[in-house]
Amino acid sequence: AQSVTQPDIHITVSEGASLELRCNYSYGATPYLFWYVQSPGQGLQLLLKYFSGDTLVQGIKGFEAEFKRSQSSFNLRKPSVHWSDAAEYFCAVALSGSARQLTFGSGTQLTVLP
Amino acid sequence: GAVVSQHPSRVICKSGTSVKIECRSLDFQATTMFWYRQFPKQSLMLMATSNEGSKATYEQGVEKDKFLINHASLTLSTLTVTSAHPEDSSFYICSARDSPGAGGDGKLFFGSGTQLSVL
Repeated sequence: AQSVTQPDIHITVSEGASLELRCNYSYGATPYLFWYVQSPGQGLQLLLKYFSGDTLVQGIKGFEAEFKRSQSSFNLRKPSVHWSDAAEYFCAVALSGSARQLTFGSGTQLTVLP
Repeated sequence: GAVVSQHPSRVICKSGTSVKIECRSLDFQATTMFWYRQFPKQSLMLMATSNEGSKATYEQGVEKDKFLINHASLTLSTLTVTSAHPEDSSFYICSARDSPGAGGDGKLFFGSGTQLSVL
């Protein structure tokens, strides 16, 4: 069975600093990969997704993520964090060839300092 | 860690029947739960936000009379797909927030999902 690991439970960065959230997956084939953001009191919002092709994907709100097959990673990055980026971020994988079931990581809580 | 139990994991039903999906927080209280629907190769779509003791808040375009949500207790929310049609076939997933008001840390936990197939 596939699994997703987000090793950082909580990350704190200063506004304007760069950000990288880690995500590692365990699966025999190339999965579909997603990053979601959960703002306080709201549901999940899709930031970006990777299915195939260019391993560097661009998302909304200035986020990007890079798929590295050799490392089984799909880390989320942003060059300059804004205070409004404070939220919880979830990495998720879906089965290759049948992108119906999602497995989520445990989430990373991002705090942004002024 | 906290666990959210979603049941059933898979259900097959005939067109026109109703199907109930349960989402339970096993070791924490959740005043807020979320229901999502997933489409092939696409992201999750938030259907509604379920609040304990009050009416659910539905997202635009989601038929509230078709997708009935009940959140009668702090540990249980149900989604009933009424008069199901083949186009309702999808993967439904719930999430529950560990309520800060009940001593939780507000963290979100996900169920394992329900695959609904309507024949």
